[in-house]
Amino acid sequence: QSVLTQPPSVSGAPGQRVTISCTGSSSNIGAGYDVHWYQQLPGTAPKLLIYANNNRPSGVPDRFSGSESGTSASLAITGLQAEDEADYYCQSYDSSLSAYVFGTGTKVTVL
Amino acid sequence: VQLVESGGGLVQPGGSLRLSCAASGFTVSANYMTWVRQAPGKGLEWVSLIYTGGTTYYADSVKGRFTISRDNSKNTVYLQMNGLRAEDTAVYYCARGDTSGLVYLDYWGQGTLVTVSS
Repeated sequence: QSVLTQPPSVSGAPGQRVTISCTGSSSNIGAGYDVHWYQQLPGTAPKLLIYANNNRPSGVPDRFSGSESGTSASLAITGLQAEDEADYYCQSYDSSLSAYVFGTGTKVTVL
Repeated sequence: VQLVESGGGLVQPGGSLRLSCAASGFTVSANYMTWVRQAPGKGLEWVSLIYTGGTTYYADSVKGRFTISRDNSKNTVYLQMNGLRAEDTAVYYCARGDTSGLVYLDYWGQGTLVTVSS
């Protein structure tokens, strides 16, 4: 059971905007630790999508964006495409656990 | 940048395995190197990290049983796993870490499967 909670699934039609929440607490996101996001396409290794809340590595489309507020963070995907169908994970650090933590993961389905 | 894991396989409970992660395109000693695992059908779990200075980090679930190390001459990172349990069954990924203040994983290997079963 992770200390970073994500919805198990979200879905949207092509072209729509979807958001994935990552809910934490005062010992992780609320303590000011950065949030990073990863995309895992079916059968492949995870890939860095967003680092330090809202920075995209080279090659990641600007359809992906991150934000953070209080004890939560969010990943937004605008102009949803079939190739975005994947699992998405947030990642941060928890000072109470003294542990690097991943979120529970969210499966995005393109309808 | 490329990371290639090896060493996975089937092992009996209580047994040992050593995973290797051969890196190319960068120097492992100049980067944070990590192992992350994913049990079948489950989410990601951060297992271990070795900092540039050699300090190590372990998840509570593996502390005292797993050891991370690196061989700078071979540009390779290892994960020695002892006292393996059924719950250690997972795909183990090697990843390179960078930092914004908090470590993030910018390159990943393809993973190697470890199955602990009698």
